[in-house]
Amino acid sequence: GQQLNQSPQSMFIQEGEDVSMNCTSSSIFNTWLWYKQDPGEGPVLLIALYKAGELTSNGRLTAQFGITRKDSFLNISASIPSDVGIYFCAGPWGGSEKLVFGKGTKLTVNP
Amino acid sequence: DSGVTQTPKHLITATGQRVTLRCSPRSGDLSVYWYQQSLDQGLQFLIQYYNGEERAKGNILERFSAQQFPDLHSELNLSSLELGDSALYFCASSHKPRREETQYFGPGTRLLVL
Repeated sequence: GQQLNQSPQSMFIQEGEDVSMNCTSSSIFNTWLWYKQDPGEGPVLLIALYKAGELTSNGRLTAQFGITRKDSFLNISASIPSDVGIYFCAGPWGGSEKLVFGKGTKLTVNP
Repeated sequence: DSGVTQTPKHLITATGQRVTLRCSPRSGDLSVYWYQQSLDQGLQFLIQYYNGEERAKGNILERFSAQQFPDLHSELNLSSLELGDSALYFCASSHKPRREETQYFGPGTRLLVL
């Protein structure tokens, strides 16, 4: 089935540092989504991107829809301890609403 | 709090058994999705219902089945359980089954098959 390749798998950073992660696909996506999952919780939508080249921010988070439609990037600026969690990229697949997810980037922020 | 509720939160059972997971979507949401999250496979789409009707199927085993009731709550039935079925099972809901609609995830049910 379709897979989204997400990197890096994990990151260990100091509080205050900026973070970048990305997601790539061998197929074109018309929507890119970024979710965050805290331990013991379900994923929560952070940012949704609907147009190639689109750059969208949500507070300290900024995500971009790659112009090839095959990739997306998420940046977190000035990280804080509550940014800890697993970040997933996702997109609707096969002309439907069912989402395919990347394997996630696990972020650890050291105070 | 996403507004999606799932019960039970934890479930421990034995191989060969059958369990039922329950999901109540957000008020007003008509579409329900079920996902499985395991360490090796990540988050995988299982099945989707819209207003009581099955709308899309993903990697759902024949031993698994689901339904959505007239009050829009949904149940996922897992039978002849195997060790490999141990995973987190999430339900998500959206107002309508459109790609632009945000899917809101519940807190999940953690299933452990011994």
